[in-house]
Amino acid sequence: GAVVSQHPSRVICKSGTSVKIECRSLDFQATTMFWYRQFPKQSLMLMATSNEGSKATYEQGVEKDKFLINHASLTLSTLTVTSAHPEDSSFYICSYSALGGGFEETQYFGPGTRLLVL
Amino acid sequence: AQSVTQLGSHVSVSEGALVLLRCNYSSSVPPYLFWYVQYPNQGLQLLLKYTSAATLVKGINGFEAEFKKSETSFHLTKPSAHMSDAAEYFCAVSVNTGKLIFGQGTTLQVKP
Repeated sequence: GAVVSQHPSRVICKSGTSVKIECRSLDFQATTMFWYRQFPKQSLMLMATSNEGSKATYEQGVEKDKFLINHASLTLSTLTVTSAHPEDSSFYICSYSALGGGFEETQYFGPGTRLLVL
Repeated sequence: AQSVTQLGSHVSVSEGALVLLRCNYSSSVPPYLFWYVQYPNQGLQLLLKYTSAATLVKGINGFEAEFKKSETSFHLTKPSAHMSDAAEYFCAVSVNTGKLIFGQGTTLQVKP
C-alpha cells in the first residue's frame, strides 16, 4: 500500500497562534487528497477535499479562512490552522487517493497529527 | 444520501473467539464499502473493500466481510480473535465524489 507521512505527529501551541501540518505521499503522486479531523472517541469527519493545483472544497461548517489547505504538488499538502483556539484541539488526519478520487478507489491515510491548543 | 451505521460502539471477545463487527449502509446507488482499522494514536489502515466484484471480500490479518444487498449490510468477521486485533474499526461508504462517509466506529476488546 501507499505510504503517507504527516509532520509533526504532535504539536502543542498557544491560543492565537497558527500551526502548519504537512502531509506527504512518499511513494506515489497523489492528485486528490482529503483532510479529516477526529475528536476523542469519535469518528472521522471530512473537512475538505483538494486536487493538486486547485482550490480546496470545504465541507459545510468548516471555515475555509481558518483551515487553509495548500496542495501545491503531487506529493505535498499542508493544512494551516490559523489563530488556533482550544476548541481546535483534535487529531488531524490526511489521506490520498492516487488516481483522482473516484469513489471506488482506496484512500491511504497518514498517521495523524495530534494538536493541542492551550 | 449515503450513510453508515455501525451497531455496537464496543465489542468484547475472548482470544480465539469469533469476531463480528456489524455495519449497515444506506445508499441510493450501488455502494463501494470499506473497513478500516485504527490503532491508538495512528491513522487508518485499510482492511478490505467491496467494489461490486465478489460479495465475499477477504482482507488482511484474516478478516473478511460479506456484502448483502438485501440486508444492506457489510459485516466484518474473523474466525479467531488475536490480542493484536484490539483496535478501533470503522466501516465507510464511498460517495460519487470519492469522499468517504464513516460510521461511528466500534472498539474491539480482546480478552486473554
